Amino acid sequence: DTGVSQDPRHKITKRGQNVTFRCDPISEHNRLYWYRQTLGQGPEFLTYFQNEAQLEKSRLLSNRFSAERPKGSFSTLEIQRTEQGDSAMYLCASMGRGGTDTQYFGPGTRLTVL
Amino acid sequence: EDQVTQSPEALRLQEGESSSLNCSYTVSGLRGLFWYRQDPGKGPEFLFTLYSAGEEKEKERLKATLTKKESFLHITAPKPEDSATYLCAVQHLGGSYIPTFGRGTSLIVHP
Repeated sequence: DTGVSQDPRHKITKRGQNVTFRCDPISEHNRLYWYRQTLGQGPEFLTYFQNEAQLEKSRLLSNRFSAERPKGSFSTLEIQRTEQGDSAMYLCASMGRGGTDTQYFGPGTRLTVL
Repeated sequence: EDQVTQSPEALRLQEGESSSLNCSYTVSGLRGLFWYRQDPGKGPEFLFTLYSAGEEKEKERLKATLTKKESFLHITAPKPEDSATYLCAVQHLGGSYIPTFGRGTSLIVHP
């Protein structure tokens, strides 16, 4: 399968714990995006990487959230000191190089904070 | 700020009953309008990209159209397997290709 993959698919944690999610984009794609989606809403942009550089972050992104893409391939999203309000689906999407604008999404990581 | 409004929020159809979903948008220069399908508990699956008013694209029972203010996703003779949430998103010119999504239309097709 050459699509976007995410791990884990589901994560249950207790409030106050740290969690980390991983995204592996389509191999030739240099752009990578993280989104959060809650029930009944569309995906909400969190942050964007072009290669290893984090170029944009949403104003809504709390300082408890951090993302990395160390070698311009896979990316991780970490949430520190989780809160119940962090419960959501976390989606990763990737996009190819210039001239294309379509994002392809992974299956998502469902986070439940108890 | 880009805005996307989808209607209706939910739609129930009988198998074979054709209908349309609406996506109204406000954007400062449209780069592209996207339609995605999302099944419960899964990530959005890309369907179409439309770039300019008058453009149409088709895939099986789905046809997407675009005007300067809205897009329609027409579903012809739907089947139960077409049941899903359909998301619309817009990208504006310039910037980092970050789309703004609508809240989606939840479609249920009854056999």
